[in-house]
Amino acid sequence: QVQLVESGGGVVQPGTSLRLSCVTSGFTFSNYPLHWVRQAPGEGLEWVAVISYDGTNKYYADSVKGRFTISRDNSKGTQYLQMNSLRHEDTAMYYCAREVNTAMDWGRGTLVTVSS
Amino acid sequence: QSALTQPRSVSGSPGQSVTISCTGTSSDVGGYNYVSWYQQHPGKAPKLMIHDVTKRPSGVPGHFSGSKSGNTAYLTISGLQAEDEADYYCCSYAGSYSFVFGTGTKVTVL
Repeated sequence: QVQLVESGGGVVQPGTSLRLSCVTSGFTFSNYPLHWVRQAPGEGLEWVAVISYDGTNKYYADSVKGRFTISRDNSKGTQYLQMNSLRHEDTAMYYCAREVNTAMDWGRGTLVTVSS
Repeated sequence: QSALTQPRSVSGSPGQSVTISCTGTSSDVGGYNYVSWYQQHPGKAPKLMIHDVTKRPSGVPGHFSGSKSGNTAYLTISGLQAEDEADYYCCSYAGSYSFVFGTGTKVTVL
């Protein structure tokens, strides 16, 4: 059974940093690209970042480029999202997703609140 | 990276059909046959309903179907059921490993 479990969310002040983790199981982790997708309260889904199966290619939404870094550890079956210089508008549920043939399997999400 | 355009809401009575549109550009919806649709109930994670424009994963009810014409993709729910009431999001591959989501549509079963 495929499982993706996010953690690391919380309440932080603007300008600070946070690292999210996504621990996976039930599939061969190193075979799949992985994504982060976020959803602000009451809003729609926003694609954030993707990392290729081997970690060599990484792409970001313009809204987070230069502030967020996606990474993965294939030996641990875990991906990460390092979020720096956080802003109020980064407040959202952050979902980890596995890409399977251009569609996505989702975790349950971890909530990040940026508030002063 | 502009969001794909969906109607804010659609509604129908049980047994009726509803269709949700998803309009993008030639750089996303029109450029690839990689449109997927996700259903999201309140407080839950999104669930894949359609991928590659028309393909339905195992376990997804047969009254969900997808199509595409030009820069617009469509999700049709035939024979609307109470449990279909949810938010629906389209998603398209946009090149360079990236994806773009639609603005979301709330489906109400009257």
